[in-house]
Amino acid sequence: QKEVEQNSGPLSVPEGAIASLNCTYSDRGSQSFFWYRQYSGKSPELIMSIYSNGDKEDGRFTAQLNKASQYVSLLIRDSQPSDSATYLCAVTNSGNTPLVFGKGTRLSVIA
Amino acid sequence: DAGITQSPRHKVTETGTPVTLRCHQTENHRYMYWYRQDPGHGLRLIHYSYGVKDTDKGEVSDGYSVSRSKTEDFLLTLESATSSQTSVYFCAISLGDTEAFFGQGTRLTVV
Repeated sequence: QKEVEQNSGPLSVPEGAIASLNCTYSDRGSQSFFWYRQYSGKSPELIMSIYSNGDKEDGRFTAQLNKASQYVSLLIRDSQPSDSATYLCAVTNSGNTPLVFGKGTRLSVIA
Repeated sequence: DAGITQSPRHKVTETGTPVTLRCHQTENHRYMYWYRQDPGHGLRLIHYSYGVKDTDKGEVSDGYSVSRSKTEDFLLTLESATSSQTSVYFCAISLGDTEAFFGQGTRLTVV
């Protein structure tokens, strides 16, 4: 059973701080990694994808991947109250297998 | 929502009745997925399709069937609804081992 683990939270950070969200996965063959944001009552929306070891930055978001440690993280700089949501980590290996999701981490940014 | 429409958006049904949820896409993506989302469980894969008439089971497929007779439509059927199938159902599409895009969701209540 392929597993993706995330701390459920809530993770509370003050406005303007860096939020750090973490995810580990069990399948060493995993090749593609995604972060989704889900507001309450809404559908998940893709915010970051990462495929190779290292960092990938997009605006205030940075995804970090370490395949040797089977670890992927998401950093949100200058956190805003509008970033308050549940963040889902998703993983897939090659061969067109469906995404496997973690249960999500709830982030609360306090103004 | 990336050209994905789910219908109905909300449904209340009685135990033992059949229910069909529809997912329609205008993106011509090969892969389509049905997930359910429940508190404490995250997103779990029910069934997926990798082409017309080509489907496969996910981790929680018992009690569900699917059909895909056209590229754009993926139907999820609960043969005889049970209270344990009360959930939010999300359809998603993708090109393969890439990111998935989600529909708006269907909130199903079985009473």
